[in-house]
Amino acid sequence: AQRVTQPEKLLSVFKGAPVELKCNYSYSGSPELFWYVQYSRQRLQLLLRHISRESIKGFTADLNKGETSFHLKKPFAQEEDSAMYYCAPRFGNEKLTFGTGTRLTIIP
Amino acid sequence: EAQVTQNPRYLITVTGKKLTVTCSQNMNHEYMSWYRQDPGLGLRQIYYSMNVEVTDKGDVPEGYKVSRKEKRNFPLILESPSPNQTSLYFCASSAPGTAAREQYFGPGTRLTVT
Repeated sequence: AQRVTQPEKLLSVFKGAPVELKCNYSYSGSPELFWYVQYSRQRLQLLLRHISRESIKGFTADLNKGETSFHLKKPFAQEEDSAMYYCAPRFGNEKLTFGTGTRLTIIP
Repeated sequence: EAQVTQNPRYLITVTGKKLTVTCSQNMNHEYMSWYRQDPGLGLRQIYYSMNVEVTDKGDVPEGYKVSRKEKRNFPLILESPSPNQTSLYFCASSAPGTAAREQYFGPGTRLTVT
């Protein structure tokens, strides 16, 4: 069955330290992969998509087909990165599947 | 301004009293969807619509209805709300046809059923 897993519900990182939010999926094909972010009191919004190979707000995410992972990384955490992060693959159709989310807290 | 709007933003109701949460988008998007967000469970899809008059169940459709009579509107209907439907609800829309399909989310509706 197709599924997505974000193993950490909560993650606390000191300001300036590296951040890695984990996302694993199970799917035999090639999914489209997205990371969404929800800052406090704001609506959910797209952070980045794997197909673009972009860096947004210092975050990058690499698709590792061998490990079926799409971890979100940032080398130096900033306080404004505190938010809820959702990994969201699309498994071959229009429907996005959201992970359970990781709440990231940056400690000043 | 391109946006997705939801109304109401906050609603407290009693068990069994029918309610409707409206969702509207001004981006001419064909795809629209409803999610509920619960602590520890993340976002779960309730219903989605690929286009006008085309709707389908998501992961947790029980207790909900939707309709898509116009492209811009996608209301969520709770015929007989129950306390387990207390949640934060999000509507979203997206344009189909490209690999970089971004979903635009509404601000959310916090529903409490007592």
